[in-house]
Amino acid sequence: DAGITQSPRYKITETGRQVTLMCHQTWSHSYMFWYRQDLGHGLRLIYYSAAADITDKGEVPDGYVVSRSKTENFPLTLESATRSQTSVYFCASTGTDTQYFGPGTRLTVL
Amino acid sequence: AQSVTQLDSQVPVFEEAPVELRCNYSSSVSVYLFWYVQYPNQGLQLLLKYLSGSTLVKGINGFEAEFNKSQTSFHLRKPSVHISDTAEYFCAVSDMEYGNKLVFGAGTILRVKS
Repeated sequence: DAGITQSPRYKITETGRQVTLMCHQTWSHSYMFWYRQDLGHGLRLIYYSAAADITDKGEVPDGYVVSRSKTENFPLTLESATRSQTSVYFCASTGTDTQYFGPGTRLTVL
Repeated sequence: AQSVTQLDSQVPVFEEAPVELRCNYSSSVSVYLFWYVQYPNQGLQLLLKYLSGSTLVKGINGFEAEFNKSQTSFHLRKPSVHISDTAEYFCAVSDMEYGNKLVFGAGTILRVKS
């Protein structure tokens, strides 16, 4: 099915571990984004990408790494997870003028 | 830099009553404006958007919003709400660049009571 998917949907990990959240879109959109959602903050931009091999920081990039070797994939890696990174993570991609969101990954760092 | 302020964190309302969710933004450039809805444990779904043209924008599920440039507002309205409208609503602004990178408000939880 066309759209944007995220995996895993739920993840529990421990402090200090590396975690990678996957995002895949089937529209061939150039722009892709990662946001985190926390109570009282709405969604905040972590990183975004304008095309394969082009990425840039958003509002809250510290502790995260992204890559984009293929247009359709935009993985987000937490190199050493911390409790403050417990959150819901949303991937998105932009069509002509609208951003479309994936279903989210709920990450808990113990 | 842009910012979005949603003036109410929670709005309780009875079924079939009208509702207005308030959104103000600040930006030094022209913007696109969006309202998204998030139902419990789901992703964000676009309700409506303002890109240009008519300042009154109609969206899905009977919602509409009015862009007011002088007041830098983009309030969301519905004349008669249903229980199924219970959700969190996010206002967002984009500066039309960088693939419509969005800045979100903190969200407003709409609770519709019977």
